[in-house]
Amino acid sequence: AQSVTQPDIHITVSEGASLELRCNYSYGATPYLFWYVQSPGQGLQLLLKYFSGDTLVQGIKGFEAEFKRSQSSFNLRKPSVHWSDAAEYFCAVGGRSNDMRFGAGTRLTVKP
Amino acid sequence: GAVVSQHPSRVICKSGTSVKIECRSLDFQATTMFWYRQFPKQSLMLMATSNEGSKATYEQGVEKDKFLINHASLTLSTLTVTSAHPEDSSFYICSAEGSVDEQYFGPGTRLTVT
Repeated sequence: AQSVTQPDIHITVSEGASLELRCNYSYGATPYLFWYVQSPGQGLQLLLKYFSGDTLVQGIKGFEAEFKRSQSSFNLRKPSVHWSDAAEYFCAVGGRSNDMRFGAGTRLTVKP
Repeated sequence: GAVVSQHPSRVICKSGTSVKIECRSLDFQATTMFWYRQFPKQSLMLMATSNEGSKATYEQGVEKDKFLINHASLTLSTLTVTSAHPEDSSFYICSAEGSVDEQYFGPGTRLTVT
């Protein structure tokens, strides 16, 4: 069965600093991988996704993620964090969308 | 494009009553919709998969008689929480399957049972 691990429950970074959120997955085949962002009391917004091809994926809001099969990882990065990036971030894995599983989430706090 | 709405956004109901939550795909048709539940500071847990014109598929541990799902059209799925109790209080999020195996999420419904 597939699973997703987000090792960091809470991360605090200063505005303008770089960011990396970790995601490790377990899946029997080539996975579909997703990163979503959720603001308080809101639904989920897709930041980026990986299905196949180039392992470095560009998303919205300046985010990118790199699929590393050898490490079973799909870490999310941003070179310079903005205060508006403070939110909850979820990594998800699945083969088809009805098989999607979410990680526990990482809460990002941005210090001024 | 690919907008999913939920109604209501917040609802408070008394213990023992039923409440219906609607999930609509506004600008696309969705054969498949999904219902998730999210407890405070936790991840999304898939409750059920809703297929238009057929019975929903429930995840293990989810009571199908308590959480009634109807997917009567390609743009509307409803979740009815029957005989609600305080432990049913949660944030319920729906999603609709779009193209290329992607889900589009609604804004969520905050249910509080008093």
